[in-house]
Amino acid sequence: AQSVTQPDIHITVSEGASLELRCNYSYGATPYLFWYVQSPGQGLQLLLKYFSGDTLVQGIKGFEAEFKRSQSSFNLRKPSVHWSDAAEYFCAVGGRGSQGNLIFGKGTKLSVKP
Amino acid sequence: DAGVTQSPTHLIKTRGQQVTLRCSPKSGHDTVSWYQQALGQGPQFIFQYYEEEERQRGNFPDRFSGHQFPNYSSELNVNALLLGDSALYLCASSFPGGASGNTIYFGEGSWLTVV
Repeated sequence: AQSVTQPDIHITVSEGASLELRCNYSYGATPYLFWYVQSPGQGLQLLLKYFSGDTLVQGIKGFEAEFKRSQSSFNLRKPSVHWSDAAEYFCAVGGRGSQGNLIFGKGTKLSVKP
Repeated sequence: DAGVTQSPTHLIKTRGQQVTLRCSPKSGHDTVSWYQQALGQGPQFIFQYYEEEERQRGNFPDRFSGHQFPNYSSELNVNALLLGDSALYLCASSFPGGASGNTIYFGEGSWLTVV
């Protein structure tokens, strides 16, 4: 079955600390992987995506993610968290032929302590 | 360049009623997908439209239907509303033939409350 697992429902980090959000996927074909961020009451903003090539991808707002095929993982990282990063983060997977049919995880809520 | 726009932003309906939500895709995008996001959950794929036809459908009942117009804009219709249909409905657009391939952009969503 195709699925995305985000093991951490809620994470709290101190401002300035590093962050890693975990994502594991199960997908039958070559995966296209995405991280989106959602602020309260808002839509989804694309942080970064992986289609092919370099397995370390850079995104907006200083985020990066690493694709590890052997572990079926696509973890999101940021070296120094800012208070404005507090939001819900969603990992999603699709395929070349899916064209917009994405499977999302349940999300990880990030809280930032001052 | 306008992104994906949706209307209305919020609405309240009564059980059994019908609702229509609207979406204009990002300029240059020809494919529109609809998602339902219940409170505390990730978005779930409802269906996708391309060239005015439903191309893919998720696990949603026939009460959920849609339409795509020649200008690529789209509507989501939900009949016989249930309390469980209360959710944020997200529209997403993409242009599979473009350089960005499967990059999918989302609108701000329409909040539907069924009472």
